[in-house]
Amino acid sequence: RKEVEQDPGPFNVPEGATVAFNCTYSNSASQSFFWYRQDCRKEPKLLMSVYSSGNEDGRFTAQLNRASQYISLLIRDSKLSDSATYLCVVVTNAGKSTFGDGTTLTVKP
Amino acid sequence: NAGVTQTPKFQVLKTGQSMTLQCAQDMNHNSMYWYRQDPGMGLRLIYYSASEGTTDKGEVPNGYNVSRLNKREFSLRLESAAPSQTSVYFCASREGRDGKLLSGANVLTFGAGSRLTVL
Repeated sequence: RKEVEQDPGPFNVPEGATVAFNCTYSNSASQSFFWYRQDCRKEPKLLMSVYSSGNEDGRFTAQLNRASQYISLLIRDSKLSDSATYLCVVVTNAGKSTFGDGTTLTVKP
Repeated sequence: NAGVTQTPKFQVLKTGQSMTLQCAQDMNHNSMYWYRQDPGMGLRLIYYSASEGTTDKGEVPNGYNVSRLNKREFSLRLESAAPSQTSVYFCASREGRDGKLLSGANVLTFGAGSRLTVL
């Protein structure tokens, strides 16, 4: 079993839609969690950190459920520019940072 | 304000040749990482170094060696390249040594990637 697993996707949604991605992790020693965005095989870039209490950044909301060992990302009012691959990242207490395989989102006009 | 610099950006090798991918960061980060990304897949961790002087295996270390030369530099060596090592390689660094969620300390900063083809 992979340490970090994501919804396989792809997700194809119309502009304005709300879309949610989930990610589960197996290592209970995981300490911190992030969502990254990757465009066209360029380097991944940080989208947002995920805090235990949940956090929001504009149209993006991230949630963490430690008991069930999953994190989620909600995108509201999707824009064409949101089309990308979204990667969840889990960092263990030893500093090992593991990525999920990514979920591809295509937002269509 | 370079961040993480990887060289070379592109490389073509023949099976059995050796090469070293170089990575340097100028952010005084403690941890450094090497990932590979194959088409349709996520980033897989090859090796990482949580602090200067330490290195640890990731998910896919076979066929690779690493050196944490100093705090700034972390190189990845392919001793005898194989076609299965054709991939895009990303170096990354992070301020923190461990996984505790300190403000900004766990954010990974990536280099632009190195595209390696082994014939």
